[in-house]
Amino acid sequence: GNSVTQMEGPVTLSEEAFLTINCTYTATGYPSLFWYVQYPGEGLQLLLKATKADDKGSNKGFEATYRKETTSFHLEKGSVQVSDSAVYFCALSPTGNQFYFGTGTSLTVIP
Amino acid sequence: DAGITQSPRYKITETGRQVTLMCHQTWSHSYMFWYRQDLGHGLRLIYYSAAADITDKGEVPDGYVVSRSKTENFPLTLESATRSQTSVYFCASQGAGSGANVLTFGAGSRLTVL
Repeated sequence: GNSVTQMEGPVTLSEEAFLTINCTYTATGYPSLFWYVQYPGEGLQLLLKATKADDKGSNKGFEATYRKETTSFHLEKGSVQVSDSAVYFCALSPTGNQFYFGTGTSLTVIP
Repeated sequence: DAGITQSPRYKITETGRQVTLMCHQTWSHSYMFWYRQDLGHGLRLIYYSAAADITDKGEVPDGYVVSRSKTENFPLTLESATRSQTSVYFCASQGAGSGANVLTFGAGSRLTVL
């Protein structure tokens, strides 16, 4: 079946620290992979995506590389800011009209 | 305004009452989805729709009813609300063309069932 497992939270970091949020997946075929971000009181919004193996998605200083050999799509950022405090969701889409989400990882960045 | 809007944003109701959550999108996207978000479960798919008059069950459909008479609207109805349906509900639509395979979410509807 299809599923996403992501790092348990919550995660608390100091400003300018390095961020990694782990995400691994199980899927049939060659899914597209996504990171969505949810700011307080808002809906989810797309942060970045990758559609094939070895692709790197990037946006707002965040990066994630599609690793088929390890079935992973870890989210990284070199220097987090207070404004990055949010809940981050890893997701996959095996077919284009089906989406599977992880449970979310809450990030708090303190000044 | 272009986008996807949900209403109401907040709703408190009592057990046994009927509640309808509205979702409207302005892009004429074919696919629309309803998710619920609960702590420890992330997002779970309730129902989705591929087009007007075409709907299908997701992971947790029990207790919910949907309809889609027009492409732009996808209401979710709880026919007899239960406390276990207290949650945050998100509607989403799926882009086409260069935005294909990407979901755009509404701001959510927080429902409390007493």
